[in-house]
Amino acid sequence: KQEVTQIPAALSVPEGENLVLNCSFTDSAIYNLQWFRQDPGKGLTSLLLIQSSQREQTSGRLNASLDKSSGRSTLYIAASQPGDSATYLCAALGGSNYKLTFGKGTLLTVNP
Amino acid sequence: GAGVSQSPRYKVAKRGQDVALRCDPISGHVSLFWYQQALGQGPEFLTYFQNEAQLDKSGLPSDRFFAERPEGSVSTLKIQRTQQEDSAVYLCASSLSSTHRGELFFGEGSRLTVL
Repeated sequence: KQEVTQIPAALSVPEGENLVLNCSFTDSAIYNLQWFRQDPGKGLTSLLLIQSSQREQTSGRLNASLDKSSGRSTLYIAASQPGDSATYLCAALGGSNYKLTFGKGTLLTVNP
Repeated sequence: GAGVSQSPRYKVAKRGQDVALRCDPISGHVSLFWYQQALGQGPEFLTYFQNEAQLDKSGLPSDRFFAERPEGSVSTLKIQRTQQEDSAVYLCASSLSSTHRGELFFGEGSRLTVL
């Protein structure tokens, strides 16, 4: 059974800092790895989707990498802003089914 | 609509009551998913529809949970005889892809509180 772990559970940084969120998964047989953002009381917004054949994806100040062999993904946020404050979730789409397995998320607070 | 719409946004039920949660996916989206998110946890898979066919319901916690999508668009998640452990946010997601690997679009969820 796939298990996804996110470290740290919470992170507080000053505005402007570059930061890295970590995600690990136990079963490397995945189709893709997705990063989502969740604001309080809201649904999930897709940020980046990395196919299993890819190493990284970039969107604006966000960069996500994938290392299938080691079962790890990182989300890099450059020049963080207060508006980046949210919970960031990673999810693995398994190789044998279509169920996304989510981590518990990292609660990010960017202080002005 | 422009996005996935869920209703009600908030529901308070007394233990033992039946509830129905509605999901309007993005028009034309083939795949529809229900996830359950307990407080402080990541979402967990409940069930999956491809058009009107329910292809996987293995994540439904018990036989008190039932989901349908009779015309391949709107879906309803029904919970009978609600229990306190059913309290959670129920998220609906849809995807244009029928191969279940496309990008998912989530609704804002229905927050269920069972007293």
